[in-house]
Amino acid sequence: DGGITQSPKYLFRKEGQNVTLSCEQNLNHDAMYWYRQDPGQGLRLIYYSQIVNDFQKGDIAEGYSVSREKKESFPLTVTSAQKNPTAFYLCASSAEMGGTEAFFGQGTRLTVV
Amino acid sequence: GQSLEQPSEVTAVEGAIVQINCTYQTSGFYGLSWYQQHDGGAPTFLSYNALDGLEETGRFSSFLSRSDSYGYLLLQELQMKDSASYFCAVRDRGSGTYKYIFGTGTRLKVLA
Repeated sequence: DGGITQSPKYLFRKEGQNVTLSCEQNLNHDAMYWYRQDPGQGLRLIYYSQIVNDFQKGDIAEGYSVSREKKESFPLTVTSAQKNPTAFYLCASSAEMGGTEAFFGQGTRLTVV
Repeated sequence: GQSLEQPSEVTAVEGAIVQINCTYQTSGFYGLSWYQQHDGGAPTFLSYNALDGLEETGRFSSFLSRSDSYGYLLLQELQMKDSASYFCAVRDRGSGTYKYIFGTGTRLKVLA
């Protein structure tokens, strides 16, 4: 079945360490996105990629980095520069940038201690 | 600025009808989507309205009024499994690129 897979589901890291969250899709979608979700808040866009080898900053990109070397993969690195990294991270994809329907992964809950 | 407003919480009983409203203010509106998210899970797509009017999909319907910058999600014959958070999201092209702007979500509690 086609879908979008995030791993791991839960991740614990010590403060000051970089951590990379995985996102893979087999939907053949061009566009991929990373969102951050905090309690009581909506989804905030971190980075997006319209096509392989291209990515752009979203609304809250500071302290994060991404790569898009393959169409299927869009990993997110949370760096030590991110001041408040503990959150629920969601990866999504759509057939084209801003397509009418986005497909989401199951999310990664990152806790930094 | 760009903003979406929706109620933070709605409670209803099983079998009832509930309406979740969403008002928006964006610079390049193209359409309004609705997503459902159960606790700890992935948001899943429910509907998309680009034109004014009502779209019906089973027990769920979505309405849009572009002139009023307003939409709603209507859930009929509520079931316990409908307890979840519901997000409206604007498909916006204000910066030249299509993007989604999400509301803060409405938590729906369905009581037996």
